[in-house]
Amino acid sequence: AQSVTQLGSHVSVSEGALVLLRCNYSSSVPPYLFWYVQYPNQGLQLLLKYTTGATLVKGINGFEAEFKKSETSFHLTKPSAHMSDAAEYFCAVSEGGGNKLTFGTGTQLKVEL
Amino acid sequence: GAVVSQHPSRVICKSGTSVKIECRSLDFQATTMFWYRQFPKQSLMLMATSNEGSKATYEQGVEKDKFLINHASLTLSTLTVTSAHPEDSSFYICSAPSGTSVGSNTGELFFGEGSRLTVL
Repeated sequence: AQSVTQLGSHVSVSEGALVLLRCNYSSSVPPYLFWYVQYPNQGLQLLLKYTTGATLVKGINGFEAEFKKSETSFHLTKPSAHMSDAAEYFCAVSEGGGNKLTFGTGTQLKVEL
Repeated sequence: GAVVSQHPSRVICKSGTSVKIECRSLDFQATTMFWYRQFPKQSLMLMATSNEGSKATYEQGVEKDKFLINHASLTLSTLTVTSAHPEDSSFYICSAPSGTSVGSNTGELFFGEGSRLTVL
């Protein structure tokens, strides 16, 4: 069975500061890992994904994430936060590339002036 | 990129009535679609997998008679909440995987905008 743990349901950063959203996963087979962003009253939008190959993946809006197998982690980062980054972020895993995703509980990112 | 559209985005209904939510893939065909339910400040919970031309597959604990799913065509899936009650109030989101029609599968899902159901 697969699972995802997102540490910190709320993260607050200053505009221009580093964003770090944590995600740890559990999977019995090589995982596919995803980060999605959700703005208020909207569906989810894919930020980035890891399937195979390079462990550092770059996504939209300046976000990137690194797959670390030894730590079973897939933390999301952005060097400099912008006000428009304020949203809910979900980490998700699918085992072996199947369509069934298991989502974490989400992290609400707040960006302050 | 692929687009998935849901309608209506918001619906308010009286207790005991039924509500239908549509999910359409606008520029690709989807033999499979997924329906999620999201409670306030919580994650998405997979309710069921909608399969074109066959019965939906429901997750454990989801009442199939309560949440009727019909995948009428390769671009349309509908979720009907029957005899809705206040506890059914939630944000319902559908999604469809990329590459469904050609067999390739990266596990990437395209999500609809969601439908917020409020049952009075």
